[in-house]
Amino acid sequence: SAVISQKPSRDICQRGTSLTIQCQVDSQVTMMFWYRQQPGQSLTLIATANQGSEATYESGFVIDKFPISRPNLTFSTLTVSNMSPEDSSIYLCSVVSRVRGYTFGSGTRLTVV
Amino acid sequence: GENVEQHPSTLSVQEGDSAVIKCTYSDSASNYFPWYKQELGKGPQLIIDIRSNVGEKKDQRIAVTLNKTAKHFSLHITETQPEDSAVYFCAASETGYSTLTFGKGTMLLVSP
Repeated sequence: SAVISQKPSRDICQRGTSLTIQCQVDSQVTMMFWYRQQPGQSLTLIATANQGSEATYESGFVIDKFPISRPNLTFSTLTVSNMSPEDSSIYLCSVVSRVRGYTFGSGTRLTVV
Repeated sequence: GENVEQHPSTLSVQEGDSAVIKCTYSDSASNYFPWYKQELGKGPQLIIDIRSNVGEKKDQRIAVTLNKTAKHFSLHITETQPEDSAVYFCAASETGYSTLTFGKGTMLLVSP
């Protein structure tokens, strides 16, 4: 099964700054996704990270706020730009494999002050 | 788009009792239904899943049932243990490789 390493695990950031979250997978995967989980809430899909092309964003999420890169089949980054306290959430990377279905990284707990 | 409703939002049981969490979905095109367990400070972990060509699936103390006609599926945990305490999420997807839509989660508390 794919092992997902997500960095950083947590961070406290000043409003107006940006944070880039990294997701590294130990095997090539076709599908990679980024989710947001606000405190005490469920998971909401931000975007599908497409290898070699622009990410596909869900309604309510835009590239200027959440730019995503996916340079190859094992790595992706999500940047949270111009942060405000409302961006305080857990951000999760997810991949899909035929054997294990959807698996999630351990998440990045972001607090914006 | 797909909408997944999950009940109850919290569930408290005594150790050894059974726990049942129920979900309904709206999109008849959905064919893949996973369940996740999320412990505090961790990412969700897949515990069991079912596809629409199967009505029931069991893995030790955990089982999932699916009624495709009624568009609902349930998670059953028997002989609950304190380490089962966590938040459980149901989800639905069209293919299992497309995007997942999650329910709002159920906090399960198992008291010794």
